[in-house]
Amino acid sequence: NAGVTQTPKFRILKIGQSMTLQCTQDMNHNYMYWYRQDPGMGLKLIYYSVGAGITDKGEVPNGYNVSRSTTEDFPLRLELAAPSQTSVYFCASRTQGFHSSSYNSPLHFGNGTRLTVT
Amino acid sequence: AQRVTQPEKLLSVFKGAPVELKCNYSYSGSPELFWYVQYSRQRLQLLLRHISRESIKGFTADLNKGETSFHLKKPFAQEEDSAMYYCALTGQGGSEKLVFGKGTKLTVNP
Repeated sequence: NAGVTQTPKFRILKIGQSMTLQCTQDMNHNYMYWYRQDPGMGLKLIYYSVGAGITDKGEVPNGYNVSRSTTEDFPLRLELAAPSQTSVYFCASRTQGFHSSSYNSPLHFGNGTRLTVT
Repeated sequence: AQRVTQPEKLLSVFKGAPVELKCNYSYSGSPELFWYVQYSRQRLQLLLRHISRESIKGFTADLNKGETSFHLKKPFAQEEDSAMYYCALTGQGGSEKLVFGKGTKLTVNP
């Protein structure tokens, strides 16, 4: 298993440009997440999905869009890049099932995409 | 609302010294707590979770519901423990969201 794969690893965008951050997982996980990591701010949830065709907003969804047409893929779209979107973006997934009794299964993370908007 | 507080941004200790990374949480329901770790140039990965009650790489963490804390401890720190540590919270019973603290950067000096 490759796990969670993110592409690209690095990207520099100019203000107003658009791009799609790709995320794919081969573990047949139902749940997928996009987080951004800013220095000193921890990880903030952007969007998440509980299954193909279902997406929902997290804490900081403005400026982003997502889609989930397949179980494997969960791309994150930036339509009009702004300097405030300079960050490291992490995709993660987990199975819907429970680890044991009613407890949740842990997240599996990708390697991240470092995005700079200038 | 779910909230995780890690009061220390940076923590520096010497090799062999005890280390404690603090985590406090706020949650109205039954919480489930995790510690994730990010070593240099590696992806975030699960270190341990409160339901496991196990020691991973010498680290332990006990959920204290009275103090709403889940502090991470290790009696003798090693240089390879230097990393970014995140405390995370979700609700039991199929909660979809996992909320992270701001993280603590641990540096273990030789």
